[in-house]
This record gives sequence, C-alpha cells and structure tokens, in this order.
Amino acid sequence: EIVMTQSPATLSVSPGDRATLSCRASQSLSSNLAWFQQKPGQAPRLLIYGASTRATGIPARFSGSGSGTEFTLTISSLQSEDFAVYYCQQYNNWPLTFGQGTRLEIK
Amino acid sequence: EVQLLESGGGLVQPGGSLRLSCAASGSTSSSYAINWVRQAPGKGLEWVSAISGTGSSTNYADSVKGRFTISRDNSKNKVYLQMNSLRAEDTAVYYCAKDRRVAWMPDVLDIWGQGTMVTVSS
Repeated sequence: EIVMTQSPATLSVSPGDRATLSCRASQSLSSNLAWFQQKPGQAPRLLIYGASTRATGIPARFSGSGSGTEFTLTISSLQSEDFAVYYCQQYNNWPLTFGQGTRLEIK
Repeated sequence: EVQLLESGGGLVQPGGSLRLSCAASGSTSSSYAINWVRQAPGKGLEWVSAISGTGSSTNYADSVKGRFTISRDNSKNKVYLQMNSLRAEDTAVYYCAKDRRVAWMPDVLDIWGQGTMVTVSS
C-alpha cells in the first residue's frame, strides 16, 4: 500500500496571501495524484488531477505541481471560501490511498 | 453530468448488517466504475471498495475484505454496498464516488455523493 503523507497538518494563512501544501508518497506515482478540498459537512470536491490539471470549474488561483513522490498544491491568493481541509489522493496503484489532510485556517 | 445520491445509513449493533445504496443519474453513469469511500468522525478519507462499470470486476480494502460486498444493477442505475459483521470501527460517513475515466483502473474520483452516516453501536 502506498502511504501518503501531507504537511503541515495545519497551516495558518491570512486572506490574500499564498498557501503552499505538500504531499509525499512512499513510492513513485508518476503524475497519478489528485487534490481535494473538503468543507465541514460537505463531500470532498476535486480540485486537481494528473498532479497539475485543474478540474472543471476550479479557479486559476489553485495550481498543482510535482511528480514522482513529491507534490505541491498552491493557492495563490487566499479567499475566505478557501479555508477548509485539503487531501491528496494517489491513484497509481490499488488500494487508492489518501493523505491525512492539511487544515487551512485563517491567521 | 452524473450525480450520485447515497442512502441506507443508520444505527446498527456490532455484528449486524446494513446495505447502502448509491443512485446514479445521467445517461452514461453505467459506463463508469463506482467507489465507496468512508470518513470516520473527525478523521480522514479511507477508500473502501470499487466496482467496474459492467460489475464484472471489484476491489476491496483489506479492512473490509470478506465482510463487505459491492455490487451494481445498471438497469436501476444503482450501486450497493452490503456490509456484514459490522464493527465499531466501521462507524463513518460513507460516500460513493465516480471514476473520472471509463477504463477499469485506479483512478481519480471526480464526482461524489453527499454521504450517508453509518453508526455501529450497542
């Protein structure tokens, strides 16, 4: 099983600032990595797949990068609606696995 | 666009059984694999099981193998998760989620239902 490790666990950022979230895989994923956003009481929402492709309707301030075992989600200018929990997910191998999440909170 | 709606959650005693349903809307919904993903209260996401578009292929997490069975009825546009021998640690919100691609392979989950809560407690 591929283990996904996200850092930091909690990130405090001011609105308008940039946020950088990291995800590391225990083995190479090529680019088979997705990012999700989850708000309280809601289902996860797909933001990024293929490590860097934005899903339909996702604003351009969200960007993904990386390949192999190291990946990054960047939110360029935080809006109030961006404060949430973010998960990475690998889909290189079964079983699908998720990181433990990064909570993005208002500073 | 495909939409997903889960149902069937509730309170069940340890050792009991429950069947969850995932209703899919959209003309091409039967082409795609459907997954079940769960989230224990205050915890992260855990993939549980997947079934191919035709229903001929399935996959399970080790934590549920031998206790849970996934199936689908494409004539009804529904996917099911039969959960037997339930344990306290199975308590979670259960989401169904669709693969982004048609091929049977590990894939990103692009559309999710709103979830149904399962509580295993005496």
